[in-house]
Amino acid sequence: EAGVAQSPRYKIIEKRQSVAFWCNPISGHATLYWYQQILGQGPKLLIQFQNNGVVDDSQLPKDRFSAERLKGVDSTLKIQPAKLEDSAVYLCASSRLQGRNEQFFGPGTRLTVL
Amino acid sequence: AQKITQTQPGMFVQEKEAVTLDCTYDTSDQSYGLFWYKQPSSGEMIFLIYQGSYDEQNATEGRYSLNFQKARKSANLVISASQLGDSAMYFCAMRGLNTGNQFYFGTGTSLTVIP
Repeated sequence: EAGVAQSPRYKIIEKRQSVAFWCNPISGHATLYWYQQILGQGPKLLIQFQNNGVVDDSQLPKDRFSAERLKGVDSTLKIQPAKLEDSAVYLCASSRLQGRNEQFFGPGTRLTVL
Repeated sequence: AQKITQTQPGMFVQEKEAVTLDCTYDTSDQSYGLFWYKQPSSGEMIFLIYQGSYDEQNATEGRYSLNFQKARKSANLVISASQLGDSAMYFCAMRGLNTGNQFYFGTGTSLTVIP
């Protein structure tokens, strides 16, 4: 089966600009996750969707970050306006609803904010 | 609150030797899952092994095994016969089944395999 797809792979922007990331999960996976991974740290969950509903967005900086998952499939994560501290890798993952629910990760988007 | 702790920022192991990476967790859930992921320098996160909180046997997947001690709330990863390709970051993670299936990751352990 095809893996989790993410685009773009790399993005360089200046502070105060906006940026959007796209994720296509594995077919049939009901749960989708966005993580922020700062260099040298573990992934931090930003938002978790189950189908097209939000399960957890407690660590999403809602003043600048937004995410949506229309029709319960693809998802986009947006940052507006970006800050220097948003420089990180943004990982998308998906999992099934049943069973052990291991997450399958996409290759990530490396964001650099100048 | 859920919490994962990995106390070893970096570990070294001789090729062909076994190594144990530590992970302790804290949860109020009675039912939960524990996971280990590998992240090579290329950046992708690779699922290695899973242990359910009600599993009586320790999980094994090839050269990976999970030393699960429920009373101590520890889920250490054991890699046997280390290979140079095992050099990577290793993350322990937990999912609470009664708390919305949220995942929590530890801070990771950097493993270097020495030839």
